[in-house]
Amino acid sequence: KNQVEQSPQSLIILEGKNCTLQCNYTVSPFSNLRWYKQDTGRGPVSLTIMTFSENTKSNGRYTATLDADTKQSSLHITASQLSDSASYICVAFYGNNRLAFGKGNQVVVIP
Amino acid sequence: KAGVTQTPRYLIKTRGQQVTLSCSPISGHRSVSWYQQTPGQGLQFLFEYFSETQRNKGNFPGRFSGRQFSNSRSEMNVSTLELGDSALYLCASSLAKGGHPSTDTQYFGPGTRLTVL
Repeated sequence: KNQVEQSPQSLIILEGKNCTLQCNYTVSPFSNLRWYKQDTGRGPVSLTIMTFSENTKSNGRYTATLDADTKQSSLHITASQLSDSASYICVAFYGNNRLAFGKGNQVVVIP
Repeated sequence: KAGVTQTPRYLIKTRGQQVTLSCSPISGHRSVSWYQQTPGQGLQFLFEYFSETQRNKGNFPGRFSGRQFSNSRSEMNVSTLELGDSALYLCASSLAKGGHPSTDTQYFGPGTRLTVL
């Protein structure tokens, strides 16, 4: 079954700390993997897009990794800020532009 | 450059009614995709339009339909509304430069919050 699992479902972190979000996918044939950030009441915003040949991609304080062998991706947030409080959604593209969505990681950054 | 706009932002309907939602993509973007987002199911893909043609479709019943106009603006329609259709409906546009697989960045609108009573 083509699906994406994200963990942890939610986490609370102190401002200034780092955190890592996990995404495991079981899609075939794999095309690319995307991370989105969604603030409450807003549409998702693209953070990174990684294809099979890319294993790391950064966007400011956000760094995504991809291990195509183990079908795992992670999103690392460095020196978290209050504005990082959001839902982070992992999406795997596969086949003929098909998509599988994770349920999201809910991150809350506290001062 | 203006972002993706969706109208209306909020909508309240009753069961059995039908609704039409509108999406204006970023200027120059040719692909428009629609998604449904609910707390229980998360994001789910509805369909994608490119050059006025439905190019991709998710697993939703036929009550959900859409179309795209020559200016790339898109509408989606839901007929015979059910309580379970209450959701945030998101539209996203991309350049669709071509090629496969697509790695175009998608830009999402703010969504239309539909409540079915």
